[in-house]
Amino acid sequence: DTEVTQTPKHLVMGMTNKKSLKCEQHMGHRAMYWYKQKAKKPPELMFVYSYEKLSINESVPSRFSPECPNSSLLNLHLHALQPEDSALYLCASSHFDRGYDNEQFFGPGTRLTVL
Amino acid sequence: GENVEQHPSTLSVQEGDSAVIKCTYSDSASNYFPWYKQELGKGPQLIIDIRSNVGEKKDQRIAVTLNKTAKHFSLHITETQPEDSAVYFCAAHQTGANNLFFGTGTRLTVIP
Repeated sequence: DTEVTQTPKHLVMGMTNKKSLKCEQHMGHRAMYWYKQKAKKPPELMFVYSYEKLSINESVPSRFSPECPNSSLLNLHLHALQPEDSALYLCASSHFDRGYDNEQFFGPGTRLTVL
Repeated sequence: GENVEQHPSTLSVQEGDSAVIKCTYSDSASNYFPWYKQELGKGPQLIIDIRSNVGEKKDQRIAVTLNKTAKHFSLHITETQPEDSAVYFCAAHQTGANNLFFGTGTRLTVIP
């Protein structure tokens, strides 16, 4: 299995809602990533988990809360979002082994619209 | 930190022609350079990559070249087909780091 899956594909939420994005991989990767991608822009790194521990938080607002329940799953909990948070949210995974160049494999993304 | 520049931002070619996309990077510690293809409504897909101990790598119609001295690398697509139409991102990475530094993207359109 060489796939990263993400659910849901599309999500529309109001500014007072709480929702979660889910990501799953079964490639044995021990690093997982959340990226945010606005239209016509490259992906921007938000969070990195390595061995289920948060290793990088790129100064993301607290209304985004990541969670890594196990080595195959990654969640992104959303609360009190703003319309400018509307974007494509991408999950990726890679091996995490210092000295290795880690090829990142991306999921198809969740298209989020905040009303 | 690393800064990756990518040109051109848009590129239109006739089907069967070649397409070349160029990237430059700033940090000489970067040693791994992947290229991603992103089709509309999909996530980026790794299409080819090159490591700093190699000058060129080829995979069928796709090739990547790297000039470490000049800190630039390029993607070459030959015999382009309409299904090559997509946005292409270059990226740079340092061994042991988790960050991928992306270029700004090139929208390639192959005209049938």
